[in-house]
Amino acid sequence: NAGVTQTPKFQVLKTGQSMTLQCAQDMNHEYMSWYRQDPGMGLRLIHYSVGAGITDQGEVPNGYNVSRSTTEDFPLRLLSAAPSQTSVYFCASSHAAGEGTGELFFGEGSRLTVL
Amino acid sequence: KNEVEQSPQNLTAQEGEFITINCSYSVGISALHWLQQHPGGGIVSLFMLSSGKKKHGRLIATINIQEKHSSLHITASHPRDSAVYICAVRYSGGGADGLTFGKGTHLIIQP
Repeated sequence: NAGVTQTPKFQVLKTGQSMTLQCAQDMNHEYMSWYRQDPGMGLRLIHYSVGAGITDQGEVPNGYNVSRSTTEDFPLRLLSAAPSQTSVYFCASSHAAGEGTGELFFGEGSRLTVL
Repeated sequence: KNEVEQSPQNLTAQEGEFITINCSYSVGISALHWLQQHPGGGIVSLFMLSSGKKKHGRLIATINIQEKHSSLHITASHPRDSAVYICAVRYSGGGADGLTFGKGTHLIIQP
Protein backbone atom coordinates (compact mmCIF):
# COMPACT_ATOMS: atom_id res chain seq x y z
CA ASN A 1 0.00 0.00 0.00
CA ALA A 2 1.86 3.09 -1.25
CA GLY A 3 -0.30 5.71 0.52
CA VAL A 4 0.38 9.23 -0.79
CA THR A 5 3.18 9.54 -3.34
CA GLN A 6 4.55 13.01 -3.95
CA THR A 7 7.22 13.96 -6.48
CA PRO A 8 9.73 15.45 -6.86
CA LYS A 9 11.29 15.62 -3.39
CA PHE A 10 13.59 18.48 -4.37
CA GLN A 11 13.44 21.07 -7.13
CA VAL A 12 15.29 24.24 -7.93
CA LEU A 13 13.67 26.69 -10.34
CA LYS A 14 14.54 30.04 -11.79
CA THR A 15 12.10 32.91 -11.46
CA GLY A 16 9.48 32.68 -14.18
CA GLN A 17 9.80 28.97 -14.80
CA SER A 18 6.81 26.68 -14.46
CA MET A 19 6.60 23.22 -12.99
CA THR A 20 4.18 20.64 -11.66
CA LEU A 21 4.30 18.86 -8.32
CA GLN A 22 2.71 15.45 -8.60
CA CYS A 23 0.54 13.82 -5.94
CA ALA A 24 -1.10 10.42 -6.16
CA GLN A 25 -2.93 8.28 -3.61
CA ASP A 26 -4.11 4.70 -3.84
CA MET A 27 -6.58 4.68 -0.93
CA ASN A 28 -9.63 5.88 -2.89
CA HIS A 29 -9.75 9.04 -0.77
CA GLU A 30 -12.23 11.70 -1.75
CA TYR A 31 -10.43 14.62 -0.14
CA MET A 32 -7.04 15.81 -1.38
CA SER A 33 -5.25 19.02 -0.45
CA TRP A 34 -2.04 20.90 -1.04
CA TYR A 35 -0.30 22.80 1.76
CA ARG A 36 2.84 24.85 2.01
CA GLN A 37 5.03 24.95 5.10
CA ASP A 38 7.19 27.96 5.83
CA PRO A 39 9.48 28.60 8.82
CA GLY A 40 7.61 29.99 11.83
CA MET A 41 4.22 29.43 10.23
CA GLY A 42 1.77 26.62 10.37
CA LEU A 43 0.84 24.63 7.31
CA ARG A 44 -1.28 26.74 4.99
CA LEU A 45 -3.84 25.45 2.53
CA ILE A 46 -3.23 26.24 -1.14
CA HIS A 47 -5.95 24.29 -2.98
CA TYR A 48 -8.18 21.37 -2.16
CA SER A 49 -10.52 18.92 -3.85
CA VAL A 50 -13.50 16.94 -2.58
CA GLY A 51 -13.61 14.59 -5.56
CA ALA A 52 -12.76 14.14 -9.22
CA GLY A 53 -13.63 17.24 -11.23
CA ILE A 54 -14.06 19.45 -8.14
CA THR A 55 -11.42 21.84 -6.84
CA ASP A 56 -11.44 25.00 -4.77
CA GLN A 57 -9.04 27.61 -3.42
CA GLY A 58 -7.58 27.63 0.03
CA GLU A 59 -5.87 30.34 2.04
CA VAL A 60 -2.92 31.03 -0.31
CA PRO A 61 -3.94 30.07 -3.88
CA ASN A 62 -2.26 32.83 -5.90
CA GLY A 63 0.35 31.59 -8.35
CA TYR A 64 -0.84 27.98 -8.19
CA ASN A 65 -3.22 25.92 -10.26
CA VAL A 66 -4.71 22.46 -9.66
CA SER A 67 -6.89 19.92 -11.40
CA ARG A 68 -8.48 16.64 -10.33
CA SER A 69 -9.23 14.56 -13.40
CA THR A 70 -9.13 11.28 -11.46
CA THR A 71 -9.71 10.27 -7.84
CA GLU A 72 -6.06 9.22 -7.52
CA ASP A 73 -4.17 12.27 -8.84
CA PHE A 74 -4.03 15.89 -7.72
CA PRO A 75 -1.16 17.80 -9.36
CA LEU A 76 -0.14 21.29 -8.28
CA ARG A 77 1.13 23.63 -10.99
CA LEU A 78 3.30 26.66 -10.46
CA LEU A 79 2.52 28.91 -13.38
CA SER A 80 5.43 31.36 -13.16
CA ALA A 81 7.64 30.66 -10.18
CA ALA A 82 8.57 33.48 -7.81
CA PRO A 83 11.07 33.51 -4.91
CA SER A 84 8.09 33.85 -2.52
CA GLN A 85 7.08 30.34 -3.54
CA THR A 86 10.24 28.89 -2.03
CA SER A 87 8.77 26.49 0.51
CA VAL A 88 8.12 22.89 1.42
CA TYR A 89 4.94 21.56 -0.13
CA PHE A 90 2.82 18.73 1.23
CA CYS A 91 0.00 16.85 -0.38
CA ALA A 92 -2.56 15.23 1.92
CA SER A 93 -5.56 12.99 1.48
CA SER A 94 -8.38 11.57 3.58
CA HIS A 95 -11.82 10.10 3.28
CA ALA A 96 -14.75 12.49 3.23
CA ALA A 97 -16.24 13.50 6.56
CA GLY A 98 -18.24 10.63 7.97
CA GLU A 99 -16.46 8.07 5.82
CA GLY A 100 -13.72 5.87 7.25
CA THR A 101 -11.66 7.12 10.16
CA GLY A 102 -10.95 10.60 8.80
CA GLU A 103 -7.25 9.96 9.32
CA LEU A 104 -4.96 12.23 7.34
CA PHE A 105 -2.28 10.85 5.08
CA PHE A 106 0.56 13.09 3.91
CA GLY A 107 3.09 12.79 1.15
CA GLU A 108 6.77 13.04 2.05
CA GLY A 109 6.99 16.66 0.98
CA SER A 110 8.60 18.56 -1.87
CA ARG A 111 11.27 21.15 -1.12
CA LEU A 112 11.13 23.86 -3.76
CA THR A 113 13.68 26.65 -4.15
CA VAL A 114 13.05 29.50 -6.55
CA LEU A 115 16.11 31.57 -7.44
CA LYS B 1 -9.69 33.86 11.22
CA ASN B 2 -10.00 31.05 13.73
CA GLU B 3 -6.67 30.33 15.37
CA VAL B 4 -5.04 27.25 16.80
CA GLU B 5 -2.61 27.95 19.61
CA GLN B 6 -0.02 25.44 20.75
CA SER B 7 2.16 25.55 23.83
CA PRO B 8 4.95 25.37 24.48
CA GLN B 9 6.60 26.35 21.20
CA ASN B 10 9.82 24.61 22.23
CA LEU B 11 10.40 21.94 24.84
CA THR B 12 13.61 20.21 25.87
CA ALA B 13 13.40 17.35 28.33
CA GLN B 14 15.42 14.43 29.60
CA GLU B 15 14.83 10.87 28.52
CA GLY B 16 12.14 9.25 30.63
CA GLU B 17 10.24 12.42 31.47
CA PHE B 18 6.48 12.77 31.05
CA ILE B 19 5.73 15.25 28.26
CA THR B 20 2.61 17.36 27.76
CA ILE B 21 1.89 19.49 24.72
CA ASN B 22 -1.21 21.68 24.65
CA CYS B 23 -3.52 22.89 21.92
CA SER B 24 -6.31 25.46 22.20
CA TYR B 25 -8.80 26.52 19.59
CA SER B 26 -11.44 29.20 19.40
CA VAL B 27 -14.77 27.84 18.19
CA GLY B 28 -16.57 24.55 17.74
CA ILE B 29 -14.77 21.82 15.85
CA SER B 30 -15.73 18.55 14.22
CA ALA B 31 -12.30 16.95 14.62
CA LEU B 32 -8.83 17.57 16.01
CA HIS B 33 -5.67 15.94 14.71
CA TRP B 34 -2.28 15.45 16.29
CA LEU B 35 0.56 15.09 13.80
CA GLN B 36 4.27 14.32 14.11
CA GLN B 37 7.03 15.63 11.88
CA HIS B 38 10.63 14.50 12.26
CA PRO B 39 13.40 16.88 11.13
CA GLY B 40 13.54 16.94 7.35
CA GLY B 41 10.83 14.33 7.25
CA GLY B 42 7.26 13.87 6.30
CA ILE B 43 4.18 14.32 8.45
CA VAL B 44 2.55 11.38 10.18
CA SER B 45 -0.89 11.31 11.71
CA LEU B 46 -0.87 10.29 15.39
CA PHE B 47 -4.48 10.75 16.44
CA MET B 48 -7.80 12.08 15.31
CA LEU B 49 -10.17 13.07 18.12
CA SER B 50 -13.66 14.39 18.34
CA SER B 51 -14.18 13.61 22.03
CA GLY B 52 -12.62 11.86 25.00
CA LYS B 53 -9.25 10.20 24.98
CA LYS B 54 -7.16 7.94 22.76
CA LYS B 55 -4.01 5.96 23.53
CA HIS B 56 -1.43 4.42 21.26
CA GLY B 57 1.65 2.95 22.88
CA ARG B 58 3.30 5.69 24.95
CA LEU B 59 1.20 8.42 23.40
CA ILE B 60 -2.08 9.66 24.87
CA ALA B 61 -4.31 12.36 23.42
CA THR B 62 -7.20 13.97 25.22
CA ILE B 63 -9.73 16.58 24.25
CA ASN B 64 -12.08 18.75 26.32
CA ILE B 65 -14.77 20.05 24.00
CA GLN B 66 -16.23 22.47 26.54
CA GLU B 67 -12.87 24.09 27.24
CA LYS B 68 -11.79 23.91 23.57
CA HIS B 69 -8.51 22.32 24.55
CA SER B 70 -6.55 19.21 23.73
CA SER B 71 -3.38 17.72 25.15
CA LEU B 72 -0.86 15.27 23.80
CA HIS B 73 1.06 13.31 26.42
CA ILE B 74 4.18 11.20 25.95
CA THR B 75 5.05 8.80 28.75
CA ALA B 76 8.60 7.51 29.30
CA SER B 77 9.95 9.86 26.62
CA HIS B 78 12.79 8.69 24.39
CA PRO B 79 15.20 10.55 22.10
CA ARG B 80 13.38 9.10 19.10
CA ASP B 81 10.32 11.12 20.21
CA SER B 82 12.24 14.27 19.25
CA ALA B 83 10.13 15.88 16.55
CA VAL B 84 7.72 18.70 15.85
CA TYR B 85 4.19 17.95 17.06
CA ILE B 86 1.42 19.73 15.22
CA CYS B 87 -2.19 20.23 16.25
CA ALA B 88 -4.77 20.75 13.50
CA VAL B 89 -8.49 21.30 13.74
CA ARG B 90 -11.39 21.04 11.37
CA TYR B 91 -13.88 23.64 12.41
CA SER B 92 -17.57 22.70 12.45
CA GLY B 93 -18.98 23.36 9.04
CA GLY B 94 -15.49 23.57 7.61
CA GLY B 95 -16.06 20.52 5.48
CA ALA B 96 -13.35 19.81 3.01
CA ASP B 97 -11.84 23.27 2.89
CA GLY B 98 -8.84 22.08 4.78
CA LEU B 99 -7.65 22.28 8.29
CA THR B 100 -6.32 25.06 10.50
CA PHE B 101 -2.90 24.17 11.85
CA GLY B 102 -0.99 25.27 14.91
CA LYS B 103 2.61 26.36 14.42
CA GLY B 104 3.89 23.23 16.11
CA THR B 105 5.80 22.32 19.25
CA HIS B 106 9.46 21.50 18.75
CA LEU B 107 10.32 18.70 21.20
CA ILE B 108 13.86 17.58 21.97
CA ILE B 109 14.45 14.61 24.27
CA GLN B 110 18.02 14.43 25.50
CA PRO B 111 19.57 11.07 26.45
